[in-house]
Amino acid sequence: GENVEQHPSTLSVQEGDSAVIKCTYSDSASNYFPWYKQELGKGPQLIIDIRSNVGEKKDQRIAVTLNKTAKHFSLHITETQPEDSAVYFCAASIGGGATNKLIFGTGTLLAVQP
Amino acid sequence: GAVVSQHPSWVICKSGTSVKIECRSLDFQATTMFWYRQFPKQSLMLMATSNEGSKATYEQGVEKDKFLINHASLTLSTLTVTSAHPEDSSFYICSAAVRGIERKPQHFGDGTRLSIL
Repeated sequence: GENVEQHPSTLSVQEGDSAVIKCTYSDSASNYFPWYKQELGKGPQLIIDIRSNVGEKKDQRIAVTLNKTAKHFSLHITETQPEDSAVYFCAASIGGGATNKLIFGTGTLLAVQP
Repeated sequence: GAVVSQHPSWVICKSGTSVKIECRSLDFQATTMFWYRQFPKQSLMLMATSNEGSKATYEQGVEKDKFLINHASLTLSTLTVTSAHPEDSSFYICSAAVRGIERKPQHFGDGTRLSIL
């Protein structure tokens, strides 16, 4: 079945450094790839997304890249701050776009050390 | 502010009790709502897709008679965990979307923590 792999499972960086999280998906029909930040006891919050007709998207300190041929997409956070500490999930739509069901990666616990 | 609200945020009940969780879209009409379950330190697993006015579609391995879903209006979907047991204890999260409107991705609620004693 459809699958999304995410690495690393934990990531510790110093404040001000960059953090990169990588995901691989299996469904060739996926065309929407969101990234979520989840804080303890809360639901996931969309931080950035990318669609298959775009290779890169940036929003201030956050960027996402997509290699559709290799079925890889990555989250890049620059100038990390302690408040960036959370669990981050990638996801891929199944059989379509943003309003289709999502398959989530296994999550990355990011710790930004002050 | 929140565009998807879940209620209750936390519930503790005895084994054998049925528990209803509400998911409301606050500022848009959601044709589709998704229900996820998340165990501690794990990812979100899709349980079912709920379309307004029709029967929910359940993922493989999810018992439809155990997890009853009703999506009677464009702003409300409910998940009822029937005869809940300790193994049903989990974090249940809904999301809401307008099918086909790609510029408006699905929004997630803040989840309901269910603890069965």
